[in-house]
Amino acid sequence: NAGVMQNPRHLVRRRGQEARLRCSPMKGHSHVYWYRQLPEEGLKFMVYLQKENIIDESGMPKERFSAEFPKEGPSILRIQQVVRGDSAAYFCATSASVNTEAFFGQGTRLTVV
Amino acid sequence: QKEVEQDPGPLSVPEGAIVSLNCTYSNSAFQYFMWYRQYSRKGPELLMYTYSSGNKEDGRFTAQVDKSSKYISLFIRDSQPSDSATYLCAMSAGSRGGSNYKLTFGKGTLLTVNP
Repeated sequence: NAGVMQNPRHLVRRRGQEARLRCSPMKGHSHVYWYRQLPEEGLKFMVYLQKENIIDESGMPKERFSAEFPKEGPSILRIQQVVRGDSAAYFCATSASVNTEAFFGQGTRLTVV
Repeated sequence: QKEVEQDPGPLSVPEGAIVSLNCTYSNSAFQYFMWYRQYSRKGPELLMYTYSSGNKEDGRFTAQVDKSSKYISLFIRDSQPSDSATYLCAMSAGSRGGSNYKLTFGKGTLLTVNP
């Protein structure tokens, strides 16, 4: 049973470009949580999604960031017009329900140059 | 005041030592408490999960929660070099009925166990 898959593992973007981060949940998991880990900071909650629905996006910056979890395919975290401050490790976690263990992916390390 | 405070260390101990890791928090709504282990360049891995106050033991690991003091601890007995990693505390209020809902993490403590 494959774990939570995130790709790409490393992503380099120039300022102003778009970044798309993908998270494929474990089989049977329909809950996805995205977190951001800035250098020297703890993991910060960004958004919680279930299939086709955004449940809570209170941790997402108001501009340039969006997330989706379509009926088919992975969850996508999209960052438009990236800036240097977006450089961070982005992790997703997935679970079968809100009370069963959430498993984290290996993360995507975004570097904005 | 940050919601969750965790001493970042680093903490270096000899093999076989007992390790104590701690977090304090300010939000009295937190009910679910977790400890994660994160190896370098990897994702966090759940080690221990506790609901409300009390102790929980799993092998060499013991988690303690004192809600009256807003203080949680993780003890590692007979520490091994393979325990070298960053340890993250995390907690949630469990709103909308879920323990996974909106975890708040500490910054993590870097632990090195020397052979």
